[in-house]
Amino acid sequence: GQNIDQPTEMTATEGAIVQINCTYQTSGFNGLFWYQQHAGEAPTFLSYNVLDGLEEKGRFSSFLSRSKGYSYLLLKELQMKDSASYLCNAGNNRKLIWGLGTSLAVNP
Amino acid sequence: DTAVSQTPKYLVTQMGNDKSIKCEQNLGHDTMYWYKQDSKKFLKIMFSYNNKELIINETVPNRFSPKSPDKAHLNLHINSLELGDSAVYFCASSQRSGSEFNFGPGTRLTVL
Repeated sequence: GQNIDQPTEMTATEGAIVQINCTYQTSGFNGLFWYQQHAGEAPTFLSYNVLDGLEEKGRFSSFLSRSKGYSYLLLKELQMKDSASYLCNAGNNRKLIWGLGTSLAVNP
Repeated sequence: DTAVSQTPKYLVTQMGNDKSIKCEQNLGHDTMYWYKQDSKKFLKIMFSYNNKELIINETVPNRFSPKSPDKAHLNLHINSLELGDSAVYFCASSQRSGSEFNFGPGTRLTVL
């Protein structure tokens, strides 16, 4: 079957580093996406990985291991505005499936 | 210069009514989608259109009917609304099937 697993909730402190994990099983693979969704807003695209390794984009980095069906999103120097839900999304050209999202709370 | 827009933002209506939600994208993308996000925050794809042609039609009651008059528009019509239809409906577009999504702001539908 196809599914994506990610933790439901995480808590971290302002200024710290947090890693949000995602494991996936898909039929065919064309890449893995991470999105951020603030409460009451639409998801916004954060990152895309199709090859193994780490992609860095400012404070946010995303890692992929295709052989392990595993990805993580790394958030550094956490800010209060990073409190949001982080959605993992993967699949093939025809169909991308979604995780339920990880709700991250950043505390002062 | 809004990329993906949808109207209305809020929709409150009675059970049994028929309503439509409109979506437009000005990104020149080939593929457009309708997603439903329920109270548990799970994003569920409903439909996908590529160049006005339906390519994904998930298990959705046939009370829901998408219409794509052209590549830049994908509207959603819902007949005989039910309480369980209450959710946020997101329109999205992508350059092609399998690339990242640009989401509209969402339409919060409440059925009373």
